[in-house]
Amino acid sequence: AQTVTQSQPEMSVQEAETVTLSCTYDTSESDYYLFWYKQPPSRQMILVIRQEAYKQQNATENRFSVNFQKAAKSFSLKISDSQLGDAAMYFCAHGSSNTGKLIFGQGTTLQVKP
Amino acid sequence: ETGVTQTPRHLVMGMTNKKSLKCEQHLGHNAMYWYKQSAKKPLELMFVYNFKEQTENNSVPSRFSPECPNSSHLFLHLHTLQPEDSALYLCASSQDRQGALDTQYFGPGTRLTVL
Repeated sequence: AQTVTQSQPEMSVQEAETVTLSCTYDTSESDYYLFWYKQPPSRQMILVIRQEAYKQQNATENRFSVNFQKAAKSFSLKISDSQLGDAAMYFCAHGSSNTGKLIFGQGTTLQVKP
Repeated sequence: ETGVTQTPRHLVMGMTNKKSLKCEQHLGHNAMYWYKQSAKKPLELMFVYNFKEQTENNSVPSRFSPECPNSSHLFLHLHTLQPEDSALYLCASSQDRQGALDTQYFGPGTRLTVL
């Protein structure tokens, strides 16, 4: 069964600095998708970034980028030039092409200090 | 109008009550999901509907009863709940059932408290 582990329950970063959130996963599949979702205090979860496992190139979305290490089963999220609006809980998720299920990690709460 | 709406936003109920949670999506998607989010735990998938048909029941107790009358609406009927059912219930939708490969769009959630 797939599992997703986020080992950092809480992180903090100074505004304008860079922070990296860690995520590891376990899967026996070769084809899958990985996601980072953001859940601000208002609770509406939104997609931050998405990576297809068969693509070696790391996905980027403006200030957000990932470091996808398939062999190590690692999928970290880097937030550059952190802004106050980045404060939220961040969830890493693994999408299985076999089961069609999205498995989430426990989440990392990110605090951005002005 | 936001993409996925949920009502009510907050609900307090006793263990003998019957209540329903409602979810509506305005994105033209075909798949809808119910998740349970408890403190200190990962999101748990409860149910999946694709084109109004239930395609996944993730071993959810029968005191939770989903209903999907059409592709835009999803309900979660609650009866004789337990205090441990207190959680944030999130609804999501995606273009099709391959929500594990496609982006899921979430509603704001219903904060449920069972007394």
